[in-house]
Amino acid sequence: DAGVIQSPRHEVTEMGQEVTLRCKPISGHNSLFWYRQTMMRGLELLIYFNNNVPIDDSGMPEDRFSAKMPNASFSTLKIQPSEPRDSAVYFCASTPGTEAFFGQGTRLTVV
Amino acid sequence: DQQVKQNSPSLSVQEGRISILNCDYTNSMFDYFLWYKKYPAEGPTFLISISSIKDKNEDGRFTVFLNKSAKHLSLHIVPSQPGDSAVYFCAARSGGGADGLTFGKGTHLIIQP
Repeated sequence: DAGVIQSPRHEVTEMGQEVTLRCKPISGHNSLFWYRQTMMRGLELLIYFNNNVPIDDSGMPEDRFSAKMPNASFSTLKIQPSEPRDSAVYFCASTPGTEAFFGQGTRLTVV
Repeated sequence: DQQVKQNSPSLSVQEGRISILNCDYTNSMFDYFLWYKKYPAEGPTFLISISSIKDKNEDGRFTVFLNKSAKHLSLHIVPSQPGDSAVYFCAARSGGGADGLTFGKGTHLIIQP
């Protein structure tokens, strides 16, 4: 298995634009997580899904953030409209129930 | 409110010596603890874990100790090697595996030759 795959690796966008981050979890893993890493706050859990169903989105910072998991092999995190303070590295992770496996992350820069 | 705390942002250790990374937590519902290692421009990778029913878990050069009464865990690396230089994250989980991991802010370990 290729591991958790995220795209794009880097994204630079202008303030106000819509940004969509994508994630393909490891096949067979039934839980998927979106994390955001910043210098100030470290790794923050934004939302997680169990069997494609959102369980806890209390970490999503604002209504501008939304996440979907239409099937077991794909998830998106959307920011609309984006703001400079959204600049961070966004990680997707999946787990079969023990440790979580992370993708390489998407570095988002909003200018 | 930080539920998992790593109070040392960085740690410098000589090659061959022991590295000890510390982590404290506040949520008594946490029942599983993990350490992750992260290199620049990569995602965190799982290193070692421990269940709350144990107080020690060893895997090669890496040993994790858990003190439940003190809500403290530590990662020992011995002997330390240059490739161990990375950021180490402590993480904790409750709910039997279905819940997300709560991470500390990380400790940057630097192994000096």
